[in-house]
Parts: sequence; C-alpha cells; structure tokens
Amino acid sequence: IAGITQAPTSQILAAGRRMTLRCTQDMRHNAMYWYRQDLGLGLRLIHYSNTAGTTGKGEVPDGYSVSRANTDDFPLTLASAVPSQTSVYFCASSKGTDYTGELFFGEGSRLTVL
Amino acid sequence: GQNIDQPTEMTATEGAIVQINCTYQTSGFNGLFWYQQHAGEAPTFLSYNVLDGLEEKGRFSSFLSRSKGYSYLLLKELQMKDSASYLCAVPDSNYQLIWGAGTKLIIKP
Repeated sequence: IAGITQAPTSQILAAGRRMTLRCTQDMRHNAMYWYRQDLGLGLRLIHYSNTAGTTGKGEVPDGYSVSRANTDDFPLTLASAVPSQTSVYFCASSKGTDYTGELFFGEGSRLTVL
Repeated sequence: GQNIDQPTEMTATEGAIVQINCTYQTSGFNGLFWYQQHAGEAPTFLSYNVLDGLEEKGRFSSFLSRSKGYSYLLLKELQMKDSASYLCAVPDSNYQLIWGAGTKLIIKP
C-alpha cells in the first residue's frame, strides 16, 4: 500500500540520548515535512524539504536536524533529547511544493523523553 | 502574525447536524484547509477553500468568508465514526501551514 511509513511507532528515551525518527514515502512526492503535535496545541512544523538535497526550518527547529539525501527518505534527528521534546511526531508529504496541495501523513511516532 | 481559533470541544447527537467554526488572522490569504484526525491516528485531508462560499462534498461541507476571516465545517447526518478532531489550517507568509489546535467532536447515540 502506497503511503508514508514512520519508525519507530513509539519510543522511550533517556534525556541526552541521540535519536533518529525515520520517514519513508513511496509516492514520489517532492515535498516532505516533520511536525510535532502536543496536547492543546496545533501541529507545529519542525523542518521541511521541497526537494531532495534541500531543507528548510519551520516554526520550531531548535534541537532537531533533518536531511534529504533522496526523494523517498526524510529522517529527523534529535541530537541530545530533552524532556520538552516529548511529543507525537508526524511526517508528511505533498506532491507539489506550493501550499495548495493535500498533505499525506504517516501514522506518527510517539516519543517520550525522561 | 498568524492566529487560528477553533472551539476546543463540541458534542452532537448521531443523525444530527453540527457546525465547527474556525476564525483566522493572516497577513495574506492563500486558502484554508480542513483535516480530520481520529484519536491516535494521522490527520487526513477533508477540504481546501480558496474562494468565498460553500463547497459540498457528500455529508461534509466547508464554508469560507475571506472578508470575515471565517470558515466552518458542516457535518450532516452524523455517524459515530465522525467522532474525531477537526483541524483548521492556513498557509503563512512562507507558504507553510499554520494549524489550529483542533476541535474534538464527540458524537452521542
């Protein structure tokens, strides 16, 4: 089934540890995004990529890094996790790079930092 | 800056009609999205409005008034499976989506 795959689904992590959330799409979409979702807040954009080889910062980029080596993969790395990064992380993609396109989301990665 | 307001929670009865409102403030306007998100799942696209008026799509309709900075999602013939959060989003000046906190809709039999 075509779509976006995220891994892991859930993870408990000690503060200070490095963690990479994986995201792979098989729809050949140009744009990919990482959001975090916290209770009582809207989805907040962490980083995005409009095409392979390019990335950009979103609303809340601090403490996170991304790479886009190819069209399909867009991993998110927490270099040194802190408790405030406890959240549900969603990877998404869209066919185009303008704002009018539908976003397709992965099932999310629930991260707890202790 | 951008700001989006939605009611936190609404309750409705199976078979009834419910209207979920969204007000927004943006420096420019480039359309408004509605997404549905069931508990523990990913958001899924419902609608995109860029022009004023009502757009109907089956049991769901979305309305936009650009002059009032206002949109609503209308759900008819409510079913238990419509219990979910409904997210409103608008693009910011960098064309990235700014999301409301979502409206949790509870459907009662």
